[in-house]
Amino acid sequence: GAGVSQSPSNKVTEKGKDVELRCDPISGHTALYWYRQSLGQGLEFLIYFQGNSAPDKSGLPSDRFSAERTGGSVSTLTIQRTQQEDSAVYLCASSLDWRNYGYTFGSGTRLTVV
Amino acid sequence: AQSVTQLGSHVSVSEGALVLLRCNYSSSVPPYLFWYVQYPNQGLQLLLKYTSAATLVKGINGFEAEFKKSETSFHLTKPSAHMSDAAEYFCAVSPSNTGKLIFGQGTTLQVKP
Repeated sequence: GAGVSQSPSNKVTEKGKDVELRCDPISGHTALYWYRQSLGQGLEFLIYFQGNSAPDKSGLPSDRFSAERTGGSVSTLTIQRTQQEDSAVYLCASSLDWRNYGYTFGSGTRLTVV
Repeated sequence: AQSVTQLGSHVSVSEGALVLLRCNYSSSVPPYLFWYVQYPNQGLQLLLKYTSAATLVKGINGFEAEFKKSETSFHLTKPSAHMSDAAEYFCAVSPSNTGKLIFGQGTTLQVKP
């Protein structure tokens, strides 16, 4: 596609429920990143995919968070048993050659846990 | 661990005035440095990047930044602010070969008429 697409754009969920956030990167971009943006913590790295594998998942805050990428394309970030502190904007970015072209970010999914 | 510090969480300038947003980084190796802009309810847009070529980097919308190794700085400037420049600006460093970004806390730029 023309840009990085994230869905849903907004999600309100009840505490304790599971949620899935989707990222559709630019076609052909082999690298995919998830970040979280919250008021108290700023922008935090969560996980990096190269193709379908995740060589760096050091930013996932707990074992309630997981992510996968299939076909070298779409990625889903799953949060189990959501907590109020999970409320944030989750941003996805993709890149073909980050050193020369940087990254393209999606508009994010705003997650609110009530 | 590598880090990025943006001095000033809020900067206010008058329309037509110089914009200066400060960014200092800590890095044990030559870094890749980026400036991103975020408009309300939008994702991040790349303004410019430093990747060890020219130390003065020109970006979009009239912004530029100068990499100063001796000062470990990568400050963002624009000679004349426009109202449309009002947004949040993030400085970021990529400390590894994976390309993951470490962001500063962001600076909100307000432009007064």
